Amino acid sequence: GAGVSQSPSNKVTEKGKDVELRCDPISGHTALYWYRQRLGQGLEFLIYFQGNSAPDKSGLPSDRFSAERTGGSVSTLTIQRTQQEDSAVYLCASSWRDGSTNGYTFGSGTRLTVV
Amino acid sequence: DQQVKQNSPSLSVQEGRISILNCDYTNSMFDYFLWYKKYPAEGPTFLISISSIKDKNEDGRFTVFLNKSAKHLSLHIVPSQPGDSAVYFCAASGGTSGTYKYIFGTGTRLKVLA
Repeated sequence: GAGVSQSPSNKVTEKGKDVELRCDPISGHTALYWYRQRLGQGLEFLIYFQGNSAPDKSGLPSDRFSAERTGGSVSTLTIQRTQQEDSAVYLCASSWRDGSTNGYTFGSGTRLTVV
Repeated sequence: DQQVKQNSPSLSVQEGRISILNCDYTNSMFDYFLWYKKYPAEGPTFLISISSIKDKNEDGRFTVFLNKSAKHLSLHIVPSQPGDSAVYFCAASGGTSGTYKYIFGTGTRLKVLA
């Protein structure tokens, strides 16, 4: 596609429920990233996928968080048993290779609110 | 531990004047730096980058300066325009963080007054 597409754009969920956030990267981009931004904070790295390599999951805050990337394209970030501290904007980004020279292209994000 | 710091949460500048946004980092192994701009309800967009082998990079009205000894970088916007009003993030990568994993600051909200 023309840009990185994320859905839903907004999600309100009850504490304890599971949520799935979807990311459609730019066609042909092999690298895909998930970041989140909590209120008043910077962008926090969550996970990185590059081609068929094992993902870098070092940023996932707990085992309630998981992500997968099917067919090297679409990615889903799953949060189980959501907590109020999970409320944030979840941003997906993609790039050619590792994006080190010109950064990533971000989607518009999914605003998650846990009530 | 905040490795990338933007100590000014907000900045107001008159249209036509220079905007200077600052960023400090603590990890001397960082070797690549980016600035992103973010409008409300949109994802951040890449603005300009600089590698540690340079001390300046210019792109139109935007110039990034890097002072490695001070672990400080700054973004200059000249002349500032109302459309530049946004949140600006600096980000750094390299060293043990890897070349692909950027560490972001908390952002500075720039308001350019017409």
